[in-house]
Amino acid sequence: QSALTQPASVSGSPGQSITISCTGTSSDVGAYNFVSWYQQYPGKAPKLVIFHVSNRPSGVSHRFSGSKSGNTASLTISGLQAEDEAHYYCNSYSATSVQYVFGTGTKVTVL
Amino acid sequence: EVQLVESGGGLVQPGGSLRLSCAASGFTFGNYPMHWVRQAPGKGLEYISSILGDGSHTSYATSVKGRFTISRDNSKNTLYLQMGSLRVEDMAVYYCARDLSTGFAFDVWGPGTQVTVS
Repeated sequence: QSALTQPASVSGSPGQSITISCTGTSSDVGAYNFVSWYQQYPGKAPKLVIFHVSNRPSGVSHRFSGSKSGNTASLTISGLQAEDEAHYYCNSYSATSVQYVFGTGTKVTVL
Repeated sequence: EVQLVESGGGLVQPGGSLRLSCAASGFTFGNYPMHWVRQAPGKGLEYISSILGDGSHTSYATSVKGRFTISRDNSKNTLYLQMGSLRVEDMAVYYCARDLSTGFAFDVWGPGTQVTVS
Protein backbone atom coordinates (compact mmCIF):
# COMPACT_ATOMS: atom_id res chain seq x y z
CA GLN A 1 0.00 0.00 0.00
CA SER A 2 1.66 3.24 -1.16
CA ALA A 3 1.50 6.35 0.98
CA LEU A 4 -0.76 9.19 -0.05
CA THR A 5 1.13 12.05 -1.70
CA GLN A 6 1.51 15.38 0.09
CA PRO A 7 3.82 18.32 -0.65
CA ALA A 8 6.92 18.17 1.53
CA SER A 9 6.51 21.74 2.68
CA VAL A 10 4.11 24.66 2.57
CA SER A 11 4.72 28.12 3.98
CA GLY A 12 2.78 31.30 4.55
CA SER A 13 2.83 34.56 6.43
CA PRO A 14 0.76 35.19 9.54
CA GLY A 15 -2.84 35.89 8.62
CA GLN A 16 -2.62 34.21 5.23
CA SER A 17 -4.37 31.00 4.18
CA ILE A 18 -2.55 27.90 3.05
CA THR A 19 -3.79 24.64 1.56
CA ILE A 20 -2.18 21.22 1.82
CA SER A 21 -3.11 18.61 -0.78
CA CYS A 22 -3.32 14.86 -0.26
CA THR A 23 -3.50 12.75 -3.40
CA GLY A 24 -4.50 9.12 -3.37
CA THR A 25 -6.35 6.78 -5.67
CA SER A 26 -9.86 5.62 -6.45
CA SER A 27 -9.34 2.86 -3.86
CA ASP A 28 -8.69 5.14 -0.92
CA VAL A 29 -9.25 8.92 -0.98
CA GLY A 30 -11.58 8.71 -3.95
CA ALA A 31 -13.54 5.75 -2.65
CA TYR A 32 -14.75 6.94 0.74
CA ASN A 33 -15.34 10.10 2.73
CA PHE A 34 -12.98 8.76 5.39
CA VAL A 35 -10.11 11.22 5.08
CA SER A 36 -8.67 12.59 8.30
CA TRP A 37 -5.90 15.07 9.05
CA TYR A 38 -3.42 15.15 11.93
CA GLN A 39 -1.21 17.88 13.33
CA GLN A 40 2.09 16.87 14.91
CA TYR A 41 4.61 18.98 16.78
CA PRO A 42 8.20 17.69 17.10
CA GLY A 43 8.50 14.99 19.72
CA LYS A 44 4.75 14.91 20.34
CA ALA A 45 1.92 12.58 19.44
CA PRO A 46 -0.30 13.47 16.48
CA LYS A 47 -3.57 15.32 17.08
CA LEU A 48 -6.74 14.87 15.04
CA VAL A 49 -7.82 18.15 13.42
CA ILE A 50 -10.22 16.98 10.66
CA PHE A 51 -12.19 13.74 10.27
CA HIS A 52 -14.50 12.39 7.56
CA VAL A 53 -13.09 14.89 5.03
CA SER A 54 -14.46 18.11 6.53
CA ASN A 55 -15.50 17.66 10.16
CA ARG A 56 -13.70 19.33 13.06
CA PRO A 57 -13.41 17.62 16.44
CA SER A 58 -14.54 19.62 19.44
CA GLY A 59 -11.87 22.09 20.48
CA VAL A 60 -10.17 22.40 17.10
CA SER A 61 -9.99 25.91 15.71
CA HIS A 62 -12.47 26.95 13.02
CA ARG A 63 -9.44 28.08 11.03
CA PHE A 64 -8.96 24.45 10.01
CA SER A 65 -11.16 23.15 7.21
CA GLY A 66 -11.11 20.15 4.90
CA SER A 67 -12.47 19.22 1.50
CA LYS A 68 -12.17 16.57 -1.20
CA SER A 69 -12.43 16.40 -4.95
CA GLY A 70 -11.98 13.09 -6.69
CA ASN A 71 -8.83 11.40 -5.47
CA THR A 72 -7.43 14.51 -3.80
CA ALA A 73 -8.25 15.82 -0.34
CA SER A 74 -7.19 19.19 1.00
CA LEU A 75 -6.61 20.83 4.36
CA THR A 76 -6.88 24.62 4.52
CA ILE A 77 -5.57 26.67 7.40
CA SER A 78 -6.91 30.21 7.34
CA GLY A 79 -5.61 33.15 9.35
CA LEU A 80 -2.26 31.39 9.73
CA GLN A 81 -0.73 31.71 13.21
CA ALA A 82 2.71 30.92 14.59
CA GLU A 83 1.24 28.01 16.56
CA ASP A 84 0.19 26.33 13.28
CA GLU A 85 3.83 25.61 12.46
CA ALA A 86 3.94 21.80 12.59
CA HIS A 87 3.83 18.68 10.44
CA TYR A 88 0.48 17.67 9.00
CA TYR A 89 -0.50 14.19 7.83
CA CYS A 90 -3.55 13.04 5.94
CA ASN A 91 -4.99 9.56 6.33
CA SER A 92 -7.58 7.55 4.43
CA TYR A 93 -9.30 4.25 4.76
CA SER A 94 -8.30 1.97 1.89
CA ALA A 95 -10.60 -0.57 0.32
CA THR A 96 -7.72 -2.32 -1.40
CA SER A 97 -5.99 -3.48 1.73
CA VAL A 98 -8.93 -3.06 4.14
CA GLN A 99 -6.81 -0.83 6.33
CA TYR A 100 -5.54 2.71 6.58
CA VAL A 101 -2.87 4.66 4.72
CA PHE A 102 -1.14 7.87 5.78
CA GLY A 103 0.15 10.67 3.63
CA THR A 104 3.84 11.46 3.28
CA GLY A 105 3.49 14.49 5.55
CA THR A 106 3.79 18.24 5.06
CA LYS A 107 5.84 20.65 7.12
CA VAL A 108 4.05 23.96 7.52
CA THR A 109 6.26 26.96 8.13
CA VAL A 110 4.94 30.31 9.29
CA LEU A 111 7.19 32.98 7.83
CA GLU B 1 -9.79 12.22 31.43
CA VAL B 2 -9.46 10.01 28.39
CA GLN B 3 -5.90 8.71 28.27
CA LEU B 4 -3.69 6.16 26.55
CA VAL B 5 -0.22 5.28 27.79
CA GLU B 6 2.14 2.94 25.96
CA SER B 7 4.90 0.92 27.59
CA GLY B 8 7.24 -1.96 26.81
CA GLY B 9 9.55 -0.29 24.34
CA GLY B 10 13.30 -0.66 24.53
CA LEU B 11 16.42 -1.97 22.86
CA VAL B 12 16.24 -5.34 21.10
CA GLN B 13 18.54 -7.17 18.71
CA PRO B 14 17.53 -7.92 15.13
CA GLY B 15 15.48 -11.09 15.08
CA GLY B 16 14.29 -10.52 18.63
CA SER B 17 10.84 -10.03 20.11
CA LEU B 18 9.12 -7.38 22.17
CA ARG B 19 5.61 -6.84 23.53
CA LEU B 20 4.15 -3.38 23.72
CA SER B 21 1.24 -2.48 25.98
CA CYS B 22 -1.20 0.41 25.87
CA ALA B 23 -3.14 1.17 29.05
CA ALA B 24 -6.43 2.94 28.50
CA SER B 25 -8.42 4.99 30.99
CA GLY B 26 -11.32 7.44 31.08
CA PHE B 27 -13.56 5.62 28.58
CA THR B 28 -15.27 2.26 28.04
CA PHE B 29 -12.33 0.52 26.40
CA GLY B 30 -14.21 -2.45 25.01
CA ASN B 31 -16.53 -0.21 22.99
CA TYR B 32 -13.76 1.07 20.74
CA PRO B 33 -11.61 -0.39 17.98
CA MET B 34 -7.96 0.38 18.62
CA HIS B 35 -4.92 0.90 16.43
CA TRP B 36 -1.13 0.93 16.41
CA VAL B 37 0.77 3.51 14.36
CA ARG B 38 4.54 3.94 14.22
CA GLN B 39 6.99 6.64 13.21
CA ALA B 40 10.58 5.87 12.27
CA PRO B 41 13.21 8.50 13.18
CA GLY B 42 12.73 11.58 11.02
CA LYS B 43 10.00 9.87 8.98
CA GLY B 44 6.25 10.04 8.62
CA LEU B 45 3.44 8.12 10.27
CA GLU B 46 2.85 4.50 9.27
CA TYR B 47 -0.30 2.54 10.03
CA ILE B 48 0.50 -0.84 11.60
CA SER B 49 -2.54 -2.68 12.88
CA SER B 50 -6.15 -2.51 14.09
CA ILE B 51 -8.43 -4.59 16.30
CA LEU B 52 -12.18 -4.38 16.83
CA GLY B 53 -13.61 -3.65 20.26
CA ASP B 54 -14.44 -7.26 21.01
CA GLY B 55 -11.19 -8.49 19.48
CA SER B 56 -13.06 -10.45 16.82
CA HIS B 57 -11.22 -8.98 13.85
CA THR B 58 -7.72 -7.73 13.27
CA SER B 59 -5.87 -6.19 10.35
CA TYR B 60 -2.21 -5.53 9.60
CA ALA B 61 -0.02 -3.51 7.29
CA THR B 62 1.84 -5.63 4.76
CA SER B 63 5.16 -4.59 6.34
CA VAL B 64 4.37 -6.38 9.63
CA LYS B 65 1.90 -9.09 8.66
CA GLY B 66 3.01 -12.47 9.95
CA ARG B 67 5.51 -10.92 12.39
CA PHE B 68 3.32 -8.74 14.62
CA THR B 69 0.16 -9.69 16.51
CA ILE B 70 -2.35 -7.23 17.93
CA SER B 71 -4.55 -8.25 20.86
CA ARG B 72 -6.50 -6.75 23.73
CA ASP B 73 -7.69 -7.59 27.22
CA ASN B 74 -10.86 -5.61 27.84
CA SER B 75 -10.93 -6.70 31.49
CA LYS B 76 -7.61 -4.93 31.95
CA ASN B 77 -8.34 -2.01 29.58
CA THR B 78 -5.13 -2.84 27.76
CA LEU B 79 -4.08 -3.14 24.13
CA TYR B 80 -1.04 -5.17 23.10
CA LEU B 81 1.32 -5.49 20.17
CA GLN B 82 3.48 -8.61 20.11
CA MET B 83 6.38 -7.96 17.78
CA GLY B 84 8.59 -10.78 16.48
CA SER B 85 11.41 -11.25 13.97
CA LEU B 86 12.26 -7.61 14.49
CA ARG B 87 14.26 -5.79 11.83
CA VAL B 88 16.28 -2.59 11.88
CA GLU B 89 13.52 -0.99 9.84
CA ASP B 90 11.03 -1.65 12.67
CA MET B 91 12.87 0.88 14.81
CA ALA B 92 10.38 3.65 15.57
CA VAL B 93 8.18 5.34 18.11
CA TYR B 94 5.05 3.23 18.44
CA TYR B 95 1.76 4.95 19.20
CA CYS B 96 -1.55 3.40 20.18
CA ALA B 97 -4.66 5.28 19.11
CA ARG B 98 -8.37 5.04 19.74
CA ASP B 99 -10.87 4.85 16.92
CA LEU B 100 -13.25 7.80 16.57
CA SER B 101 -16.72 6.94 17.87
CA THR B 102 -18.10 7.32 14.34
CA GLY B 103 -15.16 5.39 12.94
CA PHE B 104 -12.39 5.79 10.40
CA ALA B 105 -10.16 8.23 12.28
CA PHE B 106 -7.88 8.18 15.31
CA ASP B 107 -9.10 10.62 17.93
CA VAL B 108 -6.99 9.84 21.02
CA TRP B 109 -3.28 9.02 20.95
CA GLY B 110 -0.79 7.92 23.55
CA PRO B 111 2.59 9.68 23.92
CA GLY B 112 4.37 6.76 22.25
CA THR B 113 7.05 4.27 23.23
CA GLN B 114 10.45 4.00 21.54
CA VAL B 115 11.57 0.70 20.02
CA THR B 116 15.22 0.47 19.04
CA VAL B 117 16.44 -2.49 16.99
CA SER B 118 20.20 -2.73 16.99
